[in-house]
Amino acid sequence: KQEVTQIPAALSVPEGENLVLNCSFTDSAIYNLQWFRQDPGKGLTSLLLIQSSQREQTSGRLNASLDKSSGRSTLYIAASQPGDSATYLCAGGSSGNTPLVFGKGTRLSVIA
Amino acid sequence: NAGVTQTPKFRILKIGQSMTLQCTQDMNHNYMYWYRQDPGMGLKLIYYSVGAGITDKGEVPNGYNVSRSTTEDFPLRLELAAPSQTSVYFCASSYSIREGISLGNTIYFGEGSWLTVV
Repeated sequence: KQEVTQIPAALSVPEGENLVLNCSFTDSAIYNLQWFRQDPGKGLTSLLLIQSSQREQTSGRLNASLDKSSGRSTLYIAASQPGDSATYLCAGGSSGNTPLVFGKGTRLSVIA
Repeated sequence: NAGVTQTPKFRILKIGQSMTLQCTQDMNHNYMYWYRQDPGMGLKLIYYSVGAGITDKGEVPNGYNVSRSTTEDFPLRLELAAPSQTSVYFCASSYSIREGISLGNTIYFGEGSWLTVV
């Protein structure tokens, strides 16, 4: 059974810093891994999806990597802005038909 | 672009009452899901469906029922509401070829339904 862990639970950084959010998973046969953003009182918005055959995906200031052998994924945010403040969740799927298993999220605060 | 629409957004129930959370999607996705999110606990899967007429239990199905009579709709029914069902409920959908080959499986979420049982 896939288990997904995110550490730390909360992170506060000054504006402009580059930062890395961490996600670890137990099943190395992961099918894909997704990163989501959740704003307070809102649903989840998909940021990046990495297939098992890929090592990273990039979208603007975001870069997500996947290392199946170590059971880790990272989300890199460059030049952080106050608008990046939100909770970031990662989720892994063990097969194409298996629903995603979510981590508990990292709550990011970017201070102006 | 409607995407995934959930209703109601907020609801207060008394212990023992029943209600249905409605979810509809207009993206012709075959997969639909119901998750609940408790503070600091992440999202837990309640039920999911791989297509009309097919539903499967997730991690925390007790106290809930679902049906999938159409591709678009996936209602979640709470029978005999209990305080432990106080939570935020999210409906989601995605597209995946059922034979196991995924087109990417990007998942789209609704805005959530806040339910309080008192």
